[in-house]
Amino acid sequence: GAGVSQSPRYKVTKRGQDVALRCDPISGHVSLYWYRQALGQGPEFLTYFNYEAQQDKSGLPNDRFSAERPEGSISTLTIQRTEQRDSAMYRCASSPQQGAYEQYFGPGTRLTVT
Amino acid sequence: GQSLEQPSEVTAVEGAIVQINCTYQTSGFYGLSWYQQHDGGAPTFLSYNALDGLEETGRFSSFLSRSDSYGYLLLQELQMKDSASYFCAVRDAGLTGGGNKLTFGTGTQLKVEL
Repeated sequence: GAGVSQSPRYKVTKRGQDVALRCDPISGHVSLYWYRQALGQGPEFLTYFNYEAQQDKSGLPNDRFSAERPEGSISTLTIQRTEQRDSAMYRCASSPQQGAYEQYFGPGTRLTVT
Repeated sequence: GQSLEQPSEVTAVEGAIVQINCTYQTSGFYGLSWYQQHDGGAPTFLSYNALDGLEETGRFSSFLSRSDSYGYLLLQELQMKDSASYFCAVRDAGLTGGGNKLTFGTGTQLKVEL
């Protein structure tokens, strides 16, 4: 079956612009997670949802970052007024139920802020 | 907060056995996961330990000692395709409980040589 998909795969934007990154989880998966991964580092937790409810957003760096999952399926991570330090790989993962220990990662969106 | 330590790099020869250690500090510990990530790829789940002891999955095994806050991943009969980064990740309660939050280590780059 289809895995987690993310779009766009690459995004280059100018400093100060807003960007929206999309995640399409595996069909039927309840939980959805957003991570940021710098080169040579492990994924860094940003936020997660169970169904449409955002359960934990403690990893979002500041209020320029927000995420939503309005219908409990597709999710969007939005970064407003981008800065160069926001450049990173943004990864989405999903798992079949709340508390499941295996997470399935998508291919990521490589964001470059110039 | 949470912190994890693992070696940055390990080199071994094809056919050998290698052990990648991970020590962690966290509150609300649920379990320890291991993920593999090839260059340019997404992290993929390898193994999970919630209780003390050894879990075996084919050539890979993972061990956990909760009292020592320590675990390891054991890779046997190494193959060239095992060259990748390996991340330990602590599953903890997070803000809302339920064990949905993963905190990743910085990763161990494994190089398998002929």
